[in-house]
Amino acid sequence: DTAVSQTPKYLVTQMGNDKSIKCEQNLGHDTMYWYKQDSKKFLKIMFSYNNKELIINETVPNRFSPKSPDKAHLNLHINSLELGDSAVYFCASSQDSGDRGSPLHFGNGTRLTVT
Amino acid sequence: GENVEQHPSTLSVQEGDSAVIKCTYSDSASNYFPWYKQELGKGPQLIIDIRSNVGEKKDQRIAVTLNKTAKHFSLHITETQPEDSAVYFCAAQFTGGGNKLTFGTGTQLKVEL
Repeated sequence: DTAVSQTPKYLVTQMGNDKSIKCEQNLGHDTMYWYKQDSKKFLKIMFSYNNKELIINETVPNRFSPKSPDKAHLNLHINSLELGDSAVYFCASSQDSGDRGSPLHFGNGTRLTVT
Repeated sequence: GENVEQHPSTLSVQEGDSAVIKCTYSDSASNYFPWYKQELGKGPQLIIDIRSNVGEKKDQRIAVTLNKTAKHFSLHITETQPEDSAVYFCAAQFTGGGNKLTFGTGTQLKVEL
C-alpha cells in the first residue's frame, strides 16, 4: 500500500556513468516532483510535472533529465555523473500544482553515491 | 526568491517537556506553511500545515502558529515522547510559485528519557 515508491533505495556508481531513478505514486495525484537533499539535509526542489507536463525546472545541470510517461510515474535520468551529485534524491507527489498550496507526499529516497 | 530561516538547528528536551521550533520567511505573498518530520532513512512526512488566513492550528500534541505581520511561524510539540525524535522541517510556498515549497534548514530534535 506504498503511496510513493522509488527505486533503487541505494545507488553506488562511478564518475562518468549514467544512471536512472524510478518513481511511482498510487495516490491518484496530478503532480510529481524531484527533490535533492544534500549532506547537510537541505531540501531543494529540482523539477515538478503536472499531468506529464514540466512546470518547475530549477537551476539544475542539463545532465539531469526527468521523464514522465504518465501522471503516476516520474523518472530521473542522470548523465555523466559527478562527485557533487552524491545526495539523497526524493520523489514526491501532490494533488495539484496550484498556488493554493498542496501537501507533498514523499517517497523514502534514493541515496546516490558517486565514487 | 523565497528564503526560509529555521531555528534552532538542534534541540534537546526531556521527555514530557515542550519543544518549539521557529521559522521566518521573506516573501510576504507566501500563503501556505507546512511542517514535515523526517525520521532516519525515510522521506519527510507532513505533520501539520497552516494557511495564511489562519493564525493557529492544533492537532493533538502538535500546534502551529503564524504571525503574518512578522512573517514567522512556529511549531509547538507538547508532552514530548522519544518517538518525536527526528529532523523537523518548516516550509513556505509563495504565491505564483506553482506549489514550489522552500524548505528551512531543519531542526534535529532529540527527546531524552
